Amino acid sequence: GESVGLHLPTLSVQEGDNSIINCAYSNSASDYFIWYKQESGKGPQFIIDIRSNMDKRQGQRVTVLLNKTVKHLSLQIAATQPGDSAVYFCAETPRGSSNTGKLIFGQGTTLQVKP
Amino acid sequence: GAVVSQHPSRVICKSGTSVKIECRSLDFQATTMFWYRQFPKQSLMLMATSNEGSKATYEQGVEKDKFLINHASLTLSTLTVTSAHPEDSSFYICSALSMSSRTDTQYFGPGTRLTVL
Repeated sequence: GESVGLHLPTLSVQEGDNSIINCAYSNSASDYFIWYKQESGKGPQFIIDIRSNMDKRQGQRVTVLLNKTVKHLSLQIAATQPGDSAVYFCAETPRGSSNTGKLIFGQGTTLQVKP
Repeated sequence: GAVVSQHPSRVICKSGTSVKIECRSLDFQATTMFWYRQFPKQSLMLMATSNEGSKATYEQGVEKDKFLINHASLTLSTLTVTSAHPEDSSFYICSALSMSSRTDTQYFGPGTRLTVL
């Protein structure tokens, strides 16, 4: 029979290449966005965040881009390493929830780094 | 800094029993903690917001009488899954907001794997 259920999209990259993980968010009123990395059997780990008054923010080997016009968020990882293999989630805080910090998580993308 | 722990990390129980999961902020105080559930190959789904000294706020579709939340101190929140059934088997993750943080960053615990037989 037909299988039913959700599955995470997968991005496979070669070690050393750059990775771009995309996320479409749903709420145009969201004003704070975060990328998390989750390794198997562990809790999410904060990577980088960005507020809606910014288009770009850089960290160590990572860059987050925000396009509010099309409600799109991306995470760029430079010189991807095997240790970057994990599931990556974007999360948003709808405006009005910023006092409580409530987060809405996106679907997630599995990043596989080939040696 | 900003470490959140969960206990137990893994629990197996029989159907019909209750299971308590603890979430602790180890080096900071948190007036607000969150409880998430994650099924295999899926995203995190917010179950409830736990506020110290007051009743938890549950998301739509989450039964408050089945998932009891107690946030008795600024460093501890507990989630009790009452009368657990196999469909409650999941990965339960908590997070905490630091009172001293200037951002909305949530710090996540390592998760608790619940298996109901």
